[in-house]
Formats: sequence, structure tokens, C-alpha cells
Amino acid sequence: DAGVTQSPTHLIKTRGQQVTLRCSPKSGHDTVSWYQQALGQGPQFIFQYYEEEERQRGNFPDRFSGHQFPNYSSELNVNALLLGDSALYLCASSLIQAGNTEAFFGQGTRLTVV
Amino acid sequence: AQSVTQLGSHVSVSEGALVLLRCNYSSSVPPYLFWYVQYPNQGLQLLLKYTSAATLVKGINGFEAEFKKSETSFHLTKPSAHMSDAAEYFCAVSVNSGGSNYKLTFGKGTLLTVNP
Repeated sequence: DAGVTQSPTHLIKTRGQQVTLRCSPKSGHDTVSWYQQALGQGPQFIFQYYEEEERQRGNFPDRFSGHQFPNYSSELNVNALLLGDSALYLCASSLIQAGNTEAFFGQGTRLTVV
Repeated sequence: AQSVTQLGSHVSVSEGALVLLRCNYSSSVPPYLFWYVQYPNQGLQLLLKYTSAATLVKGINGFEAEFKKSETSFHLTKPSAHMSDAAEYFCAVSVNSGGSNYKLTFGKGTLLTVNP
């Protein structure tokens, strides 16, 4: 079992550009959540996808959007990048039938905006 | 809304000493509580979780935590620290509001250093 995989591992973008991050959930999981972890901070919830729909959203602007595919994998898109978007982006997968009581995290994508 | 407060952003212990990392939570409904560990440049690994069963929860690597509703606390302990325990530790809370409305709210983390 490969667990949760994220790509790419590192990324450098310029202000104003757009970026897409990808996540494959743990085998058997159907729910994907995205978190942003700024340096020295705890992860903050961005949004959650289940059945290809955004089910819940944290306090992030519309520049942050996502998608879930039929195979449960997911993408996080960020438009009009700001320097403040530099962070570690974590994907977590879980199983709704288990009450989503345990989330497994990927290694993250380190995004640097210059 | 739920929240987590981790007391002490940095804890330093000697190898073999007791590890105590403090976490207090706020929730209007019965919470699920979690401790995660993060090694440098890594994702989060679940250490243990409380989901309304036994109040004393045992996790991996010799860690355990006790849910105390009266104190709204979920402190993490390990009797004897090992050098490999050096990492960042995050306490998180989640409430099940039905359906897929589940998300983790994290504390700011506690960096544990272990001195030889």
C-alpha cells in the first residue's frame, strides 16, 4: 500500500502565476482534504472533497480551488499566486464509512512563491 | 467552532526523561482528538487518537494520552524519551457534525528536542 502520494514534492513559482498540486489517496479511501502549513505553524484546513464535490471549505479565498476525480484522486489549484501562498501543502485521505475518524497524510508539496 | 491550544512551542528533555506535551481543546460537542508527529520535511504521522472509547489511549512508539473532559485536556506522554523522538508534535481536534462534515483543527505545534 503506497499510502497517500503527492506530486510534485517541491515547486517554485512566480507571483501571479497559477499552480496545480496533485494527490492520490490511500487505497480504499474516498475522501480527500487539503491543508496549508505555513512555516512554523500548524496545518490549516483548505477544503474537503467527497464524491467529486467540495463538501466543506475553510477560510481561504476563491483563488484556491480543487477537483476530485472518479478514482478519488484530487487536485488543488491556486491562481494569482501571492508571496504569502508559500507553504507546505498537505493532502489527507480518509474513509467516510469509518466516520472519517482517521486521516492519513501525504509527504506534502513545498510551494515557494518568488 | 473547535480550537486547540498547545502549551509550550518548544520542549526540551534529556534522553530517558519523561516527555509531557500539553494540549487543551475547546469544542461545543464531544470531540475526536488526535496527536500527530512531523519530522523535518515530512508529512504528518498519526501517533494516537481518541474517539470516545477508552479515555487512556495508547499509540505508537510508546506514546500515550489521556482524555480529561473536566480539564478539556489531551496531554501526550512518554515515560522515557529517545533521541528519535525529536520532532514537531501537533494536537488536533475534530467534531463529527454528520455526513462528511469532518475536518481537523490543529494547534500550532510543539517542537520536542531530546538532549543526549
